[in-house]
Amino acid sequence: GIQVEQSPPDLILQEGANSTLRCNFSDSVNNLQWFHQNPWGQLINLFYIPSGTKQNGRLSATTVATERYSLLYISSSQTTDSGVYFCAGPPDSNYQLIWGAGTKLIIKP
Amino acid sequence: EPEVTQTPSHQVTQMGQEVILRCVPISNHLYFYWYRQILGQKVEFLVSFYNNEISEKSEIFDDQFSVERPDGSNFTLKIRSTKLEDSAMYFCASTQRLVSHEQYFGPGTRLTVT
Repeated sequence: GIQVEQSPPDLILQEGANSTLRCNFSDSVNNLQWFHQNPWGQLINLFYIPSGTKQNGRLSATTVATERYSLLYISSSQTTDSGVYFCAGPPDSNYQLIWGAGTKLIIKP
Repeated sequence: EPEVTQTPSHQVTQMGQEVILRCVPISNHLYFYWYRQILGQKVEFLVSFYNNEISEKSEIFDDQFSVERPDGSNFTLKIRSTKLEDSAMYFCASTQRLVSHEQYFGPGTRLTVT
């Protein structure tokens, strides 16, 4: 089945730093999404981004579907950005989300 | 903004007991899902549901699991005889799909089987 790889697995940054998280798919996916899992375990929708670029405040995401990857950019990091970031997308053949293992981000004050 | 809700937020049960996890999807959504996340691991798909029947299910979703939409708003996941390895966070999600395929997630139910 389709494989989703996220990198880096862990990232520790100082407050104010910028970061780029990457998501690679082994096969084509549609309807890619990015999520933030907060310390309480809740999954927060960040972006629904099948292709192109979207921005929401300090966060932006780019998906290049033809090359099977997506990037999440976080600028001017804050301690509240800490948590695990997941990307997920359904394969062309069905609609269940296939998840990456996540990037654990720690922002130090 | 409409949101998916789940109850309870935390459920502790003994091995062998039945549990029912409840979800209220967003009201105009048509497709519903259950996912689970064992502590420290990735999120895994369990089952999807549309038009009062299962449309897809994973290998995890064996005969111990069942789903139901008992009325126009609730969507439930039942585990008939819980095992220790069923301890996980269970997430419900829904999507409208006709306009957008974005899946919206509830806050999760943390199930602890002792």
